[in-house]
Amino acid sequence: GESVGLHLPTLSVQEGDNSIINCAYSNSASDYFIWYKQESGKGPQFIIDIRSNMDKRQGQRVTVLLNKTVKHLSLQIAATQPGDSAVYFCAERWQAGTALIFGKGTTLSVSS
Amino acid sequence: EAGVAQSPRYKIIEKRQSVAFWCNPISGHATLYWYQQILGQGPKLLIQFQNNGVVDDSQLPKDRFSAERLKGVDSTLKIQPAKLEDSAVYLCASSQGLVYFEQFFGPGTRLTVL
Repeated sequence: GESVGLHLPTLSVQEGDNSIINCAYSNSASDYFIWYKQESGKGPQFIIDIRSNMDKRQGQRVTVLLNKTVKHLSLQIAATQPGDSAVYFCAERWQAGTALIFGKGTTLSVSS
Repeated sequence: EAGVAQSPRYKIIEKRQSVAFWCNPISGHATLYWYQQILGQGPKLLIQFQNNGVVDDSQLPKDRFSAERLKGVDSTLKIQPAKLEDSAVYLCASSQGLVYFEQFFGPGTRLTVL
């Protein structure tokens, strides 16, 4: 099975709303996490990352929260825009030097 | 800064034929990855190179898939012979190194096996 999973396959929001995309991971030893955005026909695009020694990291309009107690990762997008419509993947790395393990993704649809 | 380049962007072949994909990583990136992404799923690692050496190929179906990274820069991924279940997008990614470096992805090659 998947080592990283997302709680909802789809999420629909209105433009201007805040979006929260959730992800559960299974390996408590994972040391690094990344959120990617993938638009149709394109490769995944880096959004934000967080190390396991942190519990929150903020970027421009995005915030990632890491709860190691329950092995949960979330991506918050403020003031969601139509251009944010895409599939969002969380990915974990089990240890330094290894590749990322991706979940199945959440499709975010933003309506005007 | 130029991104990760891949070619071709699309390929249609019949089962049992051979196919090859090419990747040119971001200049200076030592680590290169090939992922397979089946429709509706997240990318799955096939092989990881550090310079021209293989770091992880545990999920590469070695009876039909092969990859090389000569001179530690460009890389090719080959499938011979292809099966119907190989239909997917093949993504190449690169990163500066192995520790806390984000992976930059190319646009992918969409393979359809008929």
